[in-house]
Amino acid sequence: EIVLTQSPGTLSLSPGERATLSCRASQSVSSTYLAWYQQKPGQAPRLLIYGASSRATGIPDRFSGSGSGTDFTLTISRLEPEDFAVYYCQQYGSSLYTFGQGTKLEIK
Amino acid sequence: QVQLVQSGAEVKKPGSSVKVSCKASGGTFSSYAISWVRQAPGQGLEWMGGIIPIFGSANHAQKFQGRVTISADDSTSTAYMELSSLRSEDTAVYFCAREGGPGDAFDIWGQGTMVTVSS
Repeated sequence: EIVLTQSPGTLSLSPGERATLSCRASQSVSSTYLAWYQQKPGQAPRLLIYGASSRATGIPDRFSGSGSGTDFTLTISRLEPEDFAVYYCQQYGSSLYTFGQGTKLEIK
Repeated sequence: QVQLVQSGAEVKKPGSSVKVSCKASGGTFSSYAISWVRQAPGQGLEWMGGIIPIFGSANHAQKFQGRVTISADDSTSTAYMELSSLRSEDTAVYFCAREGGPGDAFDIWGQGTMVTVSS
């Protein structure tokens, strides 16, 4: 089973700042099957990024994804108040999905 | 646009079973896989398993081997997740999600069903 480790666990930033979230896999992951989700309290997760770098429908262009192999990054270029939430990376391989443990993005 | 609507909250005794439903409306159901993901209070997301309704074939994470049954009824566009031998650690919100995005990402989610296991 591929383990995804996200860092940092918590990121404290101010609106307007740039956020960089990391997702590291225990073994190589196909970029096609690497996704990022945003979850706000009391809500279901929302798909942000699929295929490591493609934005899902309706996702603002301040969100971008990059990476390959075992290291992937989600970047939010200029934080808006509504971006403060928990972010999860996810991979799919060998008919199994795994999620990272999440990064909480909080207002500083 | 497809929506996934889940059944309501459940309170169960340890050792019993729970069956959560996920009904799709507004679009094609059987050609997309449906996954089940759970989230314990204050914790992260955990994939449990999934099914492709058109084939009826299901798979699940090793952790739930022998305890989870995932099924689907194409005639009612509904997927089900049944978890048996419940214990307190199974207290969580259970989500269904459609594997409809490119790369099989989860593009549509149900609203979640709270399952509480308590004596």
